[in-house]
Amino acid sequence: EVQLVESGGGLVQPGRSLKLSCAASGFTFSNYGMHWIRQAPTKGLEWVASISPSGSNTYYRDSVKGRFTISRDNAKSTLYLQMDSLRSEDTATYYCATGRTANWELLFDYWGQGVMVTVSS
Amino acid sequence: DIQMTQSPASLSASLGETVTIECLASEDIYSNLAWYQQKPGKSPQLLIFYANSLNDGVPSRFSGSGSGTQYSLKINSLQSEDVSIYFCQQNYDSPPTFGGGTKLELK
Repeated sequence: EVQLVESGGGLVQPGRSLKLSCAASGFTFSNYGMHWIRQAPTKGLEWVASISPSGSNTYYRDSVKGRFTISRDNAKSTLYLQMDSLRSEDTATYYCATGRTANWELLFDYWGQGVMVTVSS
Repeated sequence: DIQMTQSPASLSASLGETVTIECLASEDIYSNLAWYQQKPGKSPQLLIFYANSLNDGVPSRFSGSGSGTQYSLKINSLQSEDVSIYFCQQNYDSPPTFGGGTKLELK
C-alpha cells in the first residue's frame, strides 16, 4: 500500500524558513517523479514544485522560484521542500504526491494527508 | 499559464441523479485533462486522466469526456459518498493548473 506522510509544518513568522518532509513507502520511490501541491484555507489547489526521479531536474511555480527548494533522498524514500523567505500568501496545507506512472506526466496519483503551514506574525 | 474554469461552482443533486461538471481551458489542452475528487477533510484523489481514462478503483458511474478546450465529468446514479469537491487539472503544459472546484452536495 502506497503511503505518503508529510511532516514539518507549523506556525512561522514572515521571512523565516521551514522545511517539509514527506516519507514514502509501498512503492519504488526512486522510479517516480514527486510533487508538492498546496491548498490555501477554503481555496483551490495550486501546484508548487516537482522533481524528477533521480532528483536531477526540478521545477517550480513562479511565485516560489528562488525561495523554495525541492529535493529528495532516494536512499531514504523521502521528499523535501525547503521554504525560505516565507510570506503570508504561502499559508496553506501542503501535500506531497506521486506521479501516476514512472513517466513524467504531471498527474498526481497518491497524495499524503497534508501538512499545514501558517505564515503569520 | 493555462487558465481552467469550472462550472458550476456548487451543485445540489438528489441520490440516484446524474450530474455533470464542466471544465473550460483557456487554450487547447489536447485531452490532457484530469479530474480529482476531494472528500470533506481528506486529500484529493485522482479519478480520471487524459479526459476519459478511469483511474484504478474508481467506480464506473464516473466518466469523463471532451476535447480541445471543453471537458466534462459525469456522475451517474449519484451516491452519498460522492459528496465532495471536484477539481479539473490540465497536464498539457507547465505549470499544471487546476480549476477552482465544484462543490457537490446532496439535495
